[in-house]
Amino acid sequence: EDKVVQSPLSLVVHEGDTVTLNCSYEVTNFRSLLWYKQEKKAPTFLFMLTSSGIEKKSGRLSSILDKKELFSILNITATQTGDSAIYLCAVNSGGSNYKLTFGKGTLLTVNP
Amino acid sequence: NAGVTQTPKFRILKIGQSMTLQCAQDMNHNYMYWYRQDPGMGLKLIYYSVGAGITDKGEVPNGYNVSRSTTEDFPLRLELAAPSQTSVYFCASRLAGGPNTGELFFGEGSRLTVL
Repeated sequence: EDKVVQSPLSLVVHEGDTVTLNCSYEVTNFRSLLWYKQEKKAPTFLFMLTSSGIEKKSGRLSSILDKKELFSILNITATQTGDSAIYLCAVNSGGSNYKLTFGKGTLLTVNP
Repeated sequence: NAGVTQTPKFRILKIGQSMTLQCAQDMNHNYMYWYRQDPGMGLKLIYYSVGAGITDKGEVPNGYNVSRSTTEDFPLRLELAAPSQTSVYFCASRLAGGPNTGELFFGEGSRLTVL
């Protein structure tokens, strides 16, 4: 059975701190790893990673994948209160049906 | 752009009642999915569809049914609602194939409570 494990499950930081969120996976036939941000409603897409060692960056957020060690990290620098959310990691384990297996998420709280 | 639209946003059901959660997308996406999200548990796949007339079970299909008569619509039916079905339900869709079509587009969710 495919498995995606995120850590920590929750994290409280102060504005301006840098955080690293972790996602490890055990899946058959890995295709891609995706990060989503979920505030009050629907998850919104952040990154999709398919290749090891290539950093994806968007403003203060960045992410990288290690396919040998089977994990990814999501970094957020100079955190702001608006970064408070649940961050979800999901892995596509291939096949024509494209099923994503989600981790439980990391609840990030950024205090002013 | 409407994207993925779910209705209703909130619903309270009594045990044993039935209902249908509606999902429609206007992006001409082939693939559609239903997930449920319980607190601290991430998203679990209930059913998915790769095109009109084709559906398949996900991880947690028991107590649910789906149909896909058109590309746009993918309703989720709950038969004989149980308290264990209290959850937030998300419908999602994506394009089929290609390296840049990995993103799932989500609806805003439907919060269902079964009492």
